[in-house]
Amino acid sequence: EDQVTQSPEALRLQEGESSSLNCSYTVSGLRGLFWYRQDPGKGPEFLFTLYSAGEEKEKERLKATLTKKESFLHITAPKPEDSATYLCAVQSVDGGTSYGKLTFGQGTILTVHP
Amino acid sequence: SAVISQKPSRDICQRGTSLTIQCQVDSQVTMMFWYRQQPGQSLTLIATANQGSEATYESGFVIDKFPISRPNLTFSTLTVSNMSPEDSSIYLCSVYEGSETQYFGPGTRLLVL
Repeated sequence: EDQVTQSPEALRLQEGESSSLNCSYTVSGLRGLFWYRQDPGKGPEFLFTLYSAGEEKEKERLKATLTKKESFLHITAPKPEDSATYLCAVQSVDGGTSYGKLTFGQGTILTVHP
Repeated sequence: SAVISQKPSRDICQRGTSLTIQCQVDSQVTMMFWYRQQPGQSLTLIATANQGSEATYESGFVIDKFPISRPNLTFSTLTVSNMSPEDSSIYLCSVYEGSETQYFGPGTRLLVL
């Protein structure tokens, strides 16, 4: 069974204080690892998909990296508007009748103070 | 990316009643998914809804409780039947587009009293 564990559960940063969020995963065969941002009262907003170890993707102040066991979401010089819950999810190559299924972690609640 | 809308955005329902949630996409998509996000929890897949075939349900979810329709490539409905307070959740639809990325709708917030 696919499993995703995110840490920390909550992270409080000062504006400009860079940090990283962790996503550890167990999957029979990784088709893709996804990062989403979720604001209160809204659906998840797609950020990145990573497909293989060593891959990196960037978007503004965010950079996602992937190894064979975990992914990191690095936040550089965060701003208060980066405050949100960040969700990590994996998709297995062995989906069977559940092809396309995403297995999510519990999320990291990020708060950036001005 | 596809634009996804859901109706209703929120509802308060009485125990024992049913609610049908609609998901509309602005483009034709083959695969649509329904997820549940219980309070303080992450997202869990309920079922996959492909046009022209029966929905495929995940372990712990059954068709009698969560019947799904997929009449065309832009629309799907999820019904939450015979509701109890434990069904209070956010229900989200998502779609595949192109590069196997899933995009999510805004969600339907359901409170069952």
